Amino acid sequence: AQTVTQSQPEMSVQEAETVTLSCTYDTSESDYYLFWYKQPPSRQMILVIRQEAYKQQNATENRFSVNFQKAAKSFSLKISDSQLGDAAMYFCAYREYGNKLVFGAGTILRVKS
Amino acid sequence: GAVVSQHPSRVICKSGTSVKIECRSLDFQATTMFWYRQFPKKSLMLMATSNEGSKATYEQGVEKDKFLINHASLTLSTLTVTSAHPEDSSFYICSALTSGPQETQYFGPGTRLLVL
Repeated sequence: AQTVTQSQPEMSVQEAETVTLSCTYDTSESDYYLFWYKQPPSRQMILVIRQEAYKQQNATENRFSVNFQKAAKSFSLKISDSQLGDAAMYFCAYREYGNKLVFGAGTILRVKS
Repeated sequence: GAVVSQHPSRVICKSGTSVKIECRSLDFQATTMFWYRQFPKKSLMLMATSNEGSKATYEQGVEKDKFLINHASLTLSTLTVTSAHPEDSSFYICSALTSGPQETQYFGPGTRLLVL
């Protein structure tokens, strides 16, 4: 079974600075999708970014970008120009057969003003 | 686009009663929806996959007679917690899967269930 590991339970960043959240996964598949979701205190899960494994180009969405290293099975999320509204729990997820998502344990991101 | 609603947002019920939670995809049709359970400061635990017009597929360890799922239309899935007990108190989240080449799960806002 696929597993997703987020090794950082908590991270802090100063407002306007950059932070990187780590994620590694284990799979024997060659084609798959990876996601980062954000869960703010409201607990609404929000899609941040999506990466298709067959695409070598790293996905970007405004201030959010990923560093996808397929050989290393690493999928980190970089948040640039951090804002107070970025404070949330961030989940890395792998989409497996049947469109089911396997989630990591999550990383709590705190943004300091 | 890709908005998913969930109702109710909060529910308190007495032990032994049943509670129904609705999940709706508002601006797209979803053949597949998912139901998760989340404990405080923990990750999401998949309970079941709901497919329109067919029986739900439950994850190992999830009691299908306890958590009844019905996916009667392309925009609505319901989760009924039958004979609820205090240990069923939790945060329940649904998601709906978009179709097409970039299938993605979009999540509802969740339902907090408290069983007294």
